[in-house]
Amino acid sequence: DIVMTQTPLSLSVTPGQPASISCKSSQSLLHSDGKTFLFWFLQKPGQSPQLLLYEVSSRFSGVPDRFSGSGSGTDFTLKISRVEAEDVGVYYCMQGIHPTWTFGQGTKVEIK
Amino acid sequence: EVQLVESGGGLVKPGGSLRLSCAASGFTFSNAWMSWVRQVPGKGLEWVGRIKSKTDGGTTDYAAPVKGRFTISRDDSKNTLYLQMNSLKTEDTAVYYCTTDTRRSVIWGQGTMVTVSS
Repeated sequence: DIVMTQTPLSLSVTPGQPASISCKSSQSLLHSDGKTFLFWFLQKPGQSPQLLLYEVSSRFSGVPDRFSGSGSGTDFTLKISRVEAEDVGVYYCMQGIHPTWTFGQGTKVEIK
Repeated sequence: EVQLVESGGGLVKPGGSLRLSCAASGFTFSNAWMSWVRQVPGKGLEWVGRIKSKTDGGTTDYAAPVKGRFTISRDDSKNTLYLQMNSLKTEDTAVYYCTTDTRRSVIWGQGTMVTVSS
């Protein structure tokens, strides 16, 4: 299975400040069709995960543009340009290139 | 709007069985690949398995820890996904989510809790 490794595992951010989460995969997530199957999710407290980004950097419907994704191959980053109180929760990256989906350990984001 | 509503969770003894359901709406269910993902409370996410659409063969894939014990099926006439869980173990205790399974969206239901305990 592809191993997904996130850093850091926790983050405390002042509202209005940026935040960044790294996700590394043990194998390339680049498909032969040229697309890279890396997703980002946010699980807010007491809720199910919600999709933020797909194919590394495409925002899902309704996701604010303060969320952005970058990276290629095996190294990826989620950035929040200005963290808001509603952004607290656990962020997960997930690879969708291999039939067996695998997730990062999660990064817990808190507000200072 | 895509909606997924799981049901069927509960308390079951080790070695027992349980069937989860996931009612889908807001999209063409028969065309969709669907997955189950589970989460031990307070822990991370673990993919359980998927079923492809019938037009893509309707085949299933499973994670190693559940292969041979869990079976995913679908009833496209009822827009419903199922997860039959047999020979349950204490380590199967988790919230079970059904999700859409496409390259551009993974939408989650609210989850249903399964507790395996004597």
